[in-house]
Amino acid sequence: QSALTQPASVSGSPGQSITISCTGTSSDVGSYNLVSWYQQHPGKAPKLMIYEGSKRPSGLSNRFSGSKSGNTASLTISGLQAEDEADYYCCSYAGSSTLVFGGGTKLTVL
Amino acid sequence: QITLKESGPTLVKPTQTLTLTCTLSGFSLRTSGVGVGWIRQPPGKALEWLALISWNDDKRYNPSLNSRLTITKDTSKYQVVLTMTNMDPVDTATYYCAHLIAAPYYFDYWGQGTLVTVSS
Repeated sequence: QSALTQPASVSGSPGQSITISCTGTSSDVGSYNLVSWYQQHPGKAPKLMIYEGSKRPSGLSNRFSGSKSGNTASLTISGLQAEDEADYYCCSYAGSSTLVFGGGTKLTVL
Repeated sequence: QITLKESGPTLVKPTQTLTLTCTLSGFSLRTSGVGVGWIRQPPGKALEWLALISWNDDKRYNPSLNSRLTITKDTSKYQVVLTMTNMDPVDTATYYCAHLIAAPYYFDYWGQGTLVTVSS
């Protein structure tokens, strides 16, 4: 069970859109539409942003969206805001009730 | 509302066993479809899933740490306990427990985390 692959960093200017990729294998991301995404600000606990690939928790801004193609899941943030600057982690179901996280992506809002 | 809080030692010596407790509030592990997971994060590094336990006492572990981990629940005390044997300095991390929605497997509420340092 290897960690999912995410870019180490992405950046964008306020108002722009960015996409963070999360690449797994046919044993995890590719086999299940069960990817979740978490936002983590420095010194804070992670916060759920997307579950089941594309669903948003109640009350979360629709600027955050998720999708999947093959073995790669993606998180898109539109209309970037300063408060979106954080680390983002994907997590996928990997079969037999096990889970695997990605290596994390640092988002910088320029 | 749902809250979770981790507790345990802040410092353990190499080779010792770590015991962490997650105290639950606002939900019960008697409720079908829910569970609790443990996740850790070494300083400056990524999240790593460790273990989970479901309402039906199904227990699952990260395969790379399976032999060192044990997760149990005490439903009446609203607690979930994680033990990790043979601690090493590389196990220094913030350990989080989180409320799990089992199948589809995501964590919707997280504890604040507890930093555990492994050092002699």
